Amino acid sequence: ETGVTQTPRHLVMGMTNKKSLKCEQHLGHNAMYWYKQSAKKPLELMFVYNFKEQTENNSVPSRFSPECPNSSHLFLHLHTLQPEDSALYLCASSQWTGNTEAFFGQGTRLTVV
Amino acid sequence: SQQGEEDPQALSIQEGENATMNCSYKTSINNLQWYRQNSGRGLVHLILIRSNEREKHSGRLRVTLDTSKKSSSLLITASRAADTASYFCATDEDRDDKIIFGKGTRLHILP
Repeated sequence: ETGVTQTPRHLVMGMTNKKSLKCEQHLGHNAMYWYKQSAKKPLELMFVYNFKEQTENNSVPSRFSPECPNSSHLFLHLHTLQPEDSALYLCASSQWTGNTEAFFGQGTRLTVV
Repeated sequence: SQQGEEDPQALSIQEGENATMNCSYKTSINNLQWYRQNSGRGLVHLILIRSNEREKHSGRLRVTLDTSKKSSSLLITASRAADTASYFCATDEDRDDKIIFGKGTRLHILP
């Protein structure tokens, strides 16, 4: 256990559905991240939150909408996704942004049908 | 943008042998990290080496950093079946707070 918990672990959704991924950490970290991991591609940074403020949006389509209500929780709201959005979505947290060790959750395996 | 790139993409060795993976990056960095990922799971942090360090050890892991060549290596000694996983290097650009990962090396330890 890394101290970062993601739910659900697996999710199958239709292209017209709306769903949310949840990430929770009680490590006292101030930075939280969403990454997307597709087959045969590098881990892609999607969003960065530092002290609940979004500091990075890596040209992510608007069908992905992050929310960070407090330093311990991070959500990724999904709507009208495409099959190519199927991937492993990983949440991570770190004490600060940048130069520090990141702790990852187990990921949510998302399949869009 | 991709900063680090691991080499080789895949590596198979016999149990007990040493495994060496390399990482090259493009811009100046503050630190370089190595992570491990078991199939379909989250990444686990292994070791962090700062730009002013040249070598670091942690158990059976040895990491080197050559900032002049913009490269790092991860050595796993006396490999075990449980070391089978993907290994990623991650860097932060000197002027940025983002942690960028490479594509990883898939390591397979043969019994």
